[in-house]
Amino acid sequence: AQSVTQLDSQVPVFEEAPVELRCNYSSSVSVYLFWYVQYPNQGLQLLLKYLSGSTLVKGINGFEAEFNKSQTSFHLRKPSVHISDTAEYFCAVRRSSYDKVIFGPGTSLSVIP
Amino acid sequence: GAGVSQSPSNKVTEKGKDVELRCDPISGHTALYWYRQRLGQGLEFLIYFQGNSAPDKSGLPSDRFSAERTGESVSTLTIQRTQQEDSAVYLCASSSPAGDRNQPQHFGDGTRLSIL
Repeated sequence: AQSVTQLDSQVPVFEEAPVELRCNYSSSVSVYLFWYVQYPNQGLQLLLKYLSGSTLVKGINGFEAEFNKSQTSFHLRKPSVHISDTAEYFCAVRRSSYDKVIFGPGTSLSVIP
Repeated sequence: GAGVSQSPSNKVTEKGKDVELRCDPISGHTALYWYRQRLGQGLEFLIYFQGNSAPDKSGLPSDRFSAERTGESVSTLTIQRTQQEDSAVYLCASSSPAGDRNQPQHFGDGTRLSIL
């Protein structure tokens, strides 16, 4: 069975500082990996996805993530955060196009002015 | 183009009543998902449709919960005899298989359900 772990439930960071949100997964087969962002009182929006190929994936809003197969990780990074990045971030995995998506518990990012 | 639409956006009802939540996926999306998100928590998978069939219903928490989808479009999630623990935001998502390339899910804004 697949599972997703996001070790940090809350991450406070000062504006313009770098941030890394951690995600680890477990699966016996190859997976597709995603990061979603959820702003208050809204649904989820896709930030970026890893399907295959280059392990460094760039997404919207200046975010990027690196797939590390040996460490089964897919950490999300941004070199300089803005107040508007304050939101909940979810890591997710999927085994195939015809399978459900499993979400991590989420990390709440709070950007401090 | 239009995204995933959910209605109602908010629903307040008394304990013991039945509720029906609706999801209109993006046109052409054959996969449809329902999730539950309790306050301050992550997404809890409920059920997944591929076309009109539901290959995975493993997340439905009890027999009070049911879902159906007709015409490979609209889906309804029904909760019978609601309980206070059913209070949550119910999110719907859809995706297109798009051949052999995996496609992300597109989410609606959710229905906020409050059971008094």
